[in-house]
Amino acid sequence: SQTIHQWPATLVQPVGSPLSLECTVEGTSNPNLYWYRQAAGRGLQLLFYSVGIGQISSEVPQNLSASRPQDRQFILSSKKLLLSDSGFYLCAWSRARGYTFGSGTRLTVV
Amino acid sequence: GENVEQHPSTLSVQEGDSAVIKCTYSDSASNYFPWYKQELGKRPQLIIDIRSNVGEKKDQRIAVTLNKTAKHFSLHITETQPEDSAVYFCAASKGGGGNKLTFGTGTQLKVEL
Repeated sequence: SQTIHQWPATLVQPVGSPLSLECTVEGTSNPNLYWYRQAAGRGLQLLFYSVGIGQISSEVPQNLSASRPQDRQFILSSKKLLLSDSGFYLCAWSRARGYTFGSGTRLTVV
Repeated sequence: GENVEQHPSTLSVQEGDSAVIKCTYSDSASNYFPWYKQELGKRPQLIIDIRSNVGEKKDQRIAVTLNKTAKHFSLHITETQPEDSAVYFCAASKGGGGNKLTFGTGTQLKVEL
């Protein structure tokens, strides 16, 4: 079956520290992958999407970057976190019936 | 690019009443319209979807209608229950469901006892 894994579930990081969030998909090949951020009580903001290995599209200028080193692996990174990077980060992959989201990472930058 | 507007932003109904959430989209080429439910602190989950070749789809207490001419689609929940309380997002995409979705801004639905 097709599943999506995202970790960690929660993260508290100091301002200026690096970040690495990982997402992996099982049971499918060449998926379209997405990173979204959701601020508290707000909508879903698309950060990055990828249609294949090494192919990354950025939707908004920001302090974050993404990479896709393997077909089913999608990584969200930052070299130096800002307070404004706090939020709920969701990875997703798209299939015939829309997205399946990962369980999310709640990031608090202090 | 595609733009999806969603109304209302908050909706409060009494248990047993119906709830309707409306979305409009801008790109006439969009042909896939899913709805997601997000409970507090959890991931959004697909509850129902519709493709542009049908005008209505129903699944128990939930239904979605699509008006391609007006570029409107709506979510209808009948006989609301407290567990229906959540944030609901509409979305649209082109080329079927495998492509990038554009989401609405969400509707916070509260079902009161």
